Amino acid sequence: TQLLEQSPQFLSIQEGENLTVYCNSSSVFSSLQWYRQEPGEGPVLLVTVVTGGEVKKLKRLTFQFGDARKDSSLHITAAQPGDTGLYLCAGFPYSSYKLIFGSGTRLLVRP
Amino acid sequence: KAGVTQTPRYLIKTRGQQVTLSCSPISGHRSVSWYQQTPGQGLQFLFEYFSETQRNKGNFPGRFSGRQFSNSRSEMNVSTLELGDSALYLCASSFGSGGDNEQFFGPGTRLTVL
Repeated sequence: TQLLEQSPQFLSIQEGENLTVYCNSSSVFSSLQWYRQEPGEGPVLLVTVVTGGEVKKLKRLTFQFGDARKDSSLHITAAQPGDTGLYLCAGFPYSSYKLIFGSGTRLLVRP
Repeated sequence: KAGVTQTPRYLIKTRGQQVTLSCSPISGHRSVSWYQQTPGQGLQFLFEYFSETQRNKGNFPGRFSGRQFSNSRSEMNVSTLELGDSALYLCASSFGSGGDNEQFFGPGTRLTVL
């Protein structure tokens, strides 16, 4: 059973387009994290959202944590080829020290 | 400062063999976590070590084991290898244990079991 469901699984878009990736769960998380992983490398942390309803911006990336702390979204504005990669959400369910990862969204931005 | 290093980067083994993977955390980090990444199951938590003690364990069989040394370096061992153990094994280090501590991942060891 996948605790964190990500959608879509694959996304191929043209440079300059906007996109949103979703991370959903039926469980409550104390925090949610977003990572990006490139081929041959380990995931790199982009952001951690902690408070329900929180919105964080990182240049063209906007992250949101749901009010109920069960879901999160990542929105990329004017995507660039350098945004290509595997995007992973991850979180610690309450009372757990085990970091749970979503299934991932593979993004390809075509020039 | 140097990042998380993992050795070897690539490994090919045959069924039934055993393998040991090594992880050197960032200097000063005391927590090391191990993950298995496969196309079908994604990234799954194996276990976490903090100050030489296993703090948490994922849902993997007993063939998967690990340990941490006094200098925080960690090793992971898989015995009686199966074809399904082929995966990218990632380790991540953090200063402390738990959700408030950012984890830094190494590049992984790609294990192929033939």
